[in-house]
Amino acid sequence: NAGVTQTPKFQVLKTGQSMTLQCAQDMNHNSMYWYRQDPGMGLRLIYYSASEGTTDKGEVPNGYNVSRLNKREFSLRLESAAPSQTSVYFCASSPDGYEQYFGPGTRLTVT
Amino acid sequence: GNSVTQMEGPVTLSEEAFLTINCTYTATGYPSLFWYVQYPGEGLQLLLKATKADDKGSNKGFEATYRKETTSFHLEKGSVQVSDSAVYFCALSGGDYKLSFGAGTTVTVRA
Repeated sequence: NAGVTQTPKFQVLKTGQSMTLQCAQDMNHNSMYWYRQDPGMGLRLIYYSASEGTTDKGEVPNGYNVSRLNKREFSLRLESAAPSQTSVYFCASSPDGYEQYFGPGTRLTVT
Repeated sequence: GNSVTQMEGPVTLSEEAFLTINCTYTATGYPSLFWYVQYPGEGLQLLLKATKADDKGSNKGFEATYRKETTSFHLEKGSVQVSDSAVYFCALSGGDYKLSFGAGTTVTVRA
């Protein structure tokens, strides 16, 4: 089992560019999540998908969109990147909505 | 709403010292409680969990007991190693598909 995988590992964007962060899990989990981690701010939930076919906003959804492509995959899209979106992004999955399992992260820099 | 307060760091210890990281929570109902560990440059890993009062979670020499009377879930390890240097996060899930995280405690163990 690879667990939760994320691509890319690193990305540099210019302000205004768009990109999609990919996440996949092979644990047959129902729920999936996107977080951002910033120094001094801890982990903040961007969006989550409680089950296939549903998505909900988290704490900091502005500037992002998500797609739950199927049970395995949950992508995060930045339509017009801003320097404030420079962060480390983590995807996670959960079998039951309680404990979560995290991917290795994507380090995004927006210049 | 749900919230977690954990001991501020950073914490610096010598090898073989005793480690305690305090964690208290506020929640309605009966949440599940977790400790996650994040090593430098990596994602969060689930370290241990407890799902009901008086449960003790344990893993890799770490322990934490779910104390409902004091709303606490303190993390302890009797003899730390350099390899335990990491950031530790306390978290709770109230069954709403979301985790509430503490701010994280950075632990450095010196040889």
